[in-house]
Amino acid sequence: DGGITQSPKYLFRKEGQNVTLSCEQNLNHDAMYWYRQDPGQGLRLIYYSQIVNDFQKGDIAEGYSVSREKKESFPLTVTSAQKNPTAFYLCASSIAEYSNQPQHFGDGTRLSIL
Amino acid sequence: GDSVTQMEGPVTLSEEACLTINCTYTATGYPSLFWYVQYPGEGLQLLLKATKADDKGSNKGFEATYRKETTSFHLEKGSVQVSDSAVYFCALRGGQGNDMRFGAGTRLTVKP
Repeated sequence: DGGITQSPKYLFRKEGQNVTLSCEQNLNHDAMYWYRQDPGQGLRLIYYSQIVNDFQKGDIAEGYSVSREKKESFPLTVTSAQKNPTAFYLCASSIAEYSNQPQHFGDGTRLSIL
Repeated sequence: GDSVTQMEGPVTLSEEACLTINCTYTATGYPSLFWYVQYPGEGLQLLLKATKADDKGSNKGFEATYRKETTSFHLEKGSVQVSDSAVYFCALRGGQGNDMRFGAGTRLTVKP
């Protein structure tokens, strides 16, 4: 079955450390997205990519970085510059050329600070 | 820009009660509208969608009708179950630009 796989499910970060969250999709979607979700709150867009080798900042990109070297993969790095990284991170994808199509989500990665 | 406003929760209902979660939107153009459901510790799952005015999306007993005249897309279910306990998000896409806009989410708890 096609879908989006996020790993790991739980991740712990030490102070001053960068960590990378994985997101892989086999839906053949062009567009991929990263969202942050804090407890009891909605989704905030971190970064998105409409095509390989191109990505754009979302609403809260500071302290995060991404790459899009392959269509299937869109890893997110939470850098040490992100002072409050504890959150639930969601990756999503969609068919970019049809702007009214839904996004499909992975099961998320929960990041905590040690 | 485009935005979505949904009723604040939490909402607590008894099993077999009727559910309505209000959602209104502001958008230019002709967006598609969506409801997503998030169970504890999981990602968002698409529950239903509607792509044009007067369309009714339905799935698993849930329904929502795209009302352009009232810019609304309220989620309804006639008889909720304990297993419907989750957070529900209203969203739109395809108004101004290609962005997806989400509401803040409404937590539903159904008690036996």
